[in-house]
Amino acid sequence: KNQVEQSPQSLIILEGKNCTLQCNYTVSPFSNLRWYKQDTGRGPVSLTIMTFSENTKSNGRYTATLDADTKQSSLHITASQLSDSASYICVVRGQAGTALIFGKGTTLSVSS
Amino acid sequence: DAGVIQSPRHEVTEMGQEVTLRCKPISGHDYLFWYRQTMMRGLELLIYFNNNVPIDDSGMPEDRFSAKMPNASFSTLKIQPSEPRDSAVYFCASSKTSIAGVTGELFFGEGSRLTVL
Repeated sequence: KNQVEQSPQSLIILEGKNCTLQCNYTVSPFSNLRWYKQDTGRGPVSLTIMTFSENTKSNGRYTATLDADTKQSSLHITASQLSDSASYICVVRGQAGTALIFGKGTTLSVSS
Repeated sequence: DAGVIQSPRHEVTEMGQEVTLRCKPISGHDYLFWYRQTMMRGLELLIYFNNNVPIDDSGMPEDRFSAKMPNASFSTLKIQPSEPRDSAVYFCASSKTSIAGVTGELFFGEGSRLTVL
């Protein structure tokens, strides 16, 4: 069964600290993986996309990694800011014609 | 450019009433999706359209739910009759298949928060 598991479920960190969110998936065959950020009361917004051949991709303070062999991805946030407080959702797509599989997200709270 | 526009943003209704949620996708996008989000289950796909044609409605919970897309710029999700367990945030999203064939990014609306009393 195609599944996407995210950990931790929630996380609290101090402003300025780094953190890493995990996404493990069983989707096969794999096409791509996206990380979305969802602010409270808003719709999710894409942060980055990882395809099979990509290992690391950065978007400002956000760095995503992908290990297609172990079917794991991570999202590393550097020097966290209060505005990073949000839910981060991992979404995996299989090959053409298959549905997107959503993780339940990690809720990150950054405190001052 | 305007993003995906949903209305209403908030809806409070009583059990048994009809609820209609509306969505205007981004112009030029050929896919439209309806999702439901709850704390327990996260985001769940209800139905999606490609070029205004429903492709997969297997996520629609039951016959009380229906969705239409009469043209490329408008879609509705209707619940009749509504029940308390339908309380959730309903998101509409649109996307465009990229030239490279990699499935396009989903652009979500702000959501419609539904409370059924």
